[in-house]
Amino acid sequence: DGGITQSPKYLFRKEGQNVTLSCEQNLNHDAMYWYRQDPGQGLRLIYYSQIVNDFQKGDIAEGYSVSREKKESFPLTVTSAQKNPTAFYLCASSIQASYYGYTFGSGTRLTVV
Amino acid sequence: KQEVTQIPAALSVPEGENLVLNCSFTDSAIYNLQWFRQDPGKGLTSLLLIQSSQREQTSGRLNASLDKSSGRSTLYIAASQPGDSATYLCAVMGGGSNYKLTFGKGTLLTVNP
Repeated sequence: DGGITQSPKYLFRKEGQNVTLSCEQNLNHDAMYWYRQDPGQGLRLIYYSQIVNDFQKGDIAEGYSVSREKKESFPLTVTSAQKNPTAFYLCASSIQASYYGYTFGSGTRLTVV
Repeated sequence: KQEVTQIPAALSVPEGENLVLNCSFTDSAIYNLQWFRQDPGKGLTSLLLIQSSQREQTSGRLNASLDKSSGRSTLYIAASQPGDSATYLCAVMGGGSNYKLTFGKGTLLTVNP
């Protein structure tokens, strides 16, 4: 079945540590996105990529980094510069055209310990 | 900048009731509007996608309408069931070359047996 796989489902980070969240899709979608979800805040865009080897900052990119070396993969690194990383992280993908909607993964819950 | 508002923030109804969730957006130059469902701790499941040229879409007991000129959409749920309890999110894809989604904060629906 085609879809988006996020791993791990739960992740714990110590203070000062970098962690990487995985996002893989087999939908042959051009574009991929990372969102952060906090209670009462809704979903906010962190980074997005429309083609391989290219990506743009979203609304809250500080303290995060991404790469897009393959069409299928768009990992997100939460760096030690991100002061409040505890949140639910959602990855999505879409065909780069206006007629299609987004498909979301099942999310990764990151907690700072 | 596109802003999306969902009213009400929370709704509790008895089983069997028909209900309407509301979504409004500030910039009418959209490509499409998508309604999602989110269960606690889970990712987003797409319910309905309405293109900017369409007025409504239906899937089973769900009907979504779009009035682009007034910046409004409604999600109608007929004969609600306890299994419909979830958070419902509205998102719009902006116009021009902007294929990013902007989300509302959601409506938390509880259907009581």
